[in-house]
Amino acid sequence: AQSVTQLDSHVSVSEGTPVLLRCNYSSSYSPSLFWYVQHPNKGLQLLLKYTSAATLVKGINGFEAEFKKSETSFHLTKPSAHMSDAAEYFCVVSAQAGGFKTIFGAGTRLFVKA
Amino acid sequence: DVKVTQSSRYLVKRTGEKVFLECVQDMDHENMFWYRQDPGLGLRLIYFSYDVKMKEKGDIPEGYSVSREKKERFSLILESASTNQTSMYLCASSLVNQETQYFGPGTRLLVL
Repeated sequence: AQSVTQLDSHVSVSEGTPVLLRCNYSSSYSPSLFWYVQHPNKGLQLLLKYTSAATLVKGINGFEAEFKKSETSFHLTKPSAHMSDAAEYFCVVSAQAGGFKTIFGAGTRLFVKA
Repeated sequence: DVKVTQSSRYLVKRTGEKVFLECVQDMDHENMFWYRQDPGLGLRLIYFSYDVKMKEKGDIPEGYSVSREKKERFSLILESASTNQTSMYLCASSLVNQETQYFGPGTRLLVL
């Protein structure tokens, strides 16, 4: 069985300060993990993905995430928030068990204050 | 770049109407997906297709059907629209045995 939990439904930061969006997962198999971003009235865009290579994954727009198996976490970070980062972020777990099963988290909405 | 397009960005329909949502991808992907997105619930899979004329139920198929007559096109059908089907509908595609999905811009459906 698989599940994914995004620990915060909303996160608010000031421009120029660090961003931390938290994600915990569970999976009976070796999972792949993803972060997607959705800007208002747009589809989802892939930010980054982990597929059992390096545990620190770099993505687009300065975001990165670290896979921590012992903590079953895949938190998304960025050193310095920009106004354009305001969006909704989805953590996703996927594993192949007789066919891919992909589970989306409920989403975290990021607000960036000037 | 992969491009996934959806036939409408916004749609308003009446209860009981038959509704067609169309999705087209241009990268020869085998897999196509339909999700609905509701606040606080993330994305929930309605149906997916791994080949022409093949389909599998997702987590919430009730009230929906799908059609895939050509590889690039995947249609979602609401046989008799109801108000609880008011939602954002997202289409996605991926290569076979690849997990990265590419999303269309979404169709926001309002059923009155």
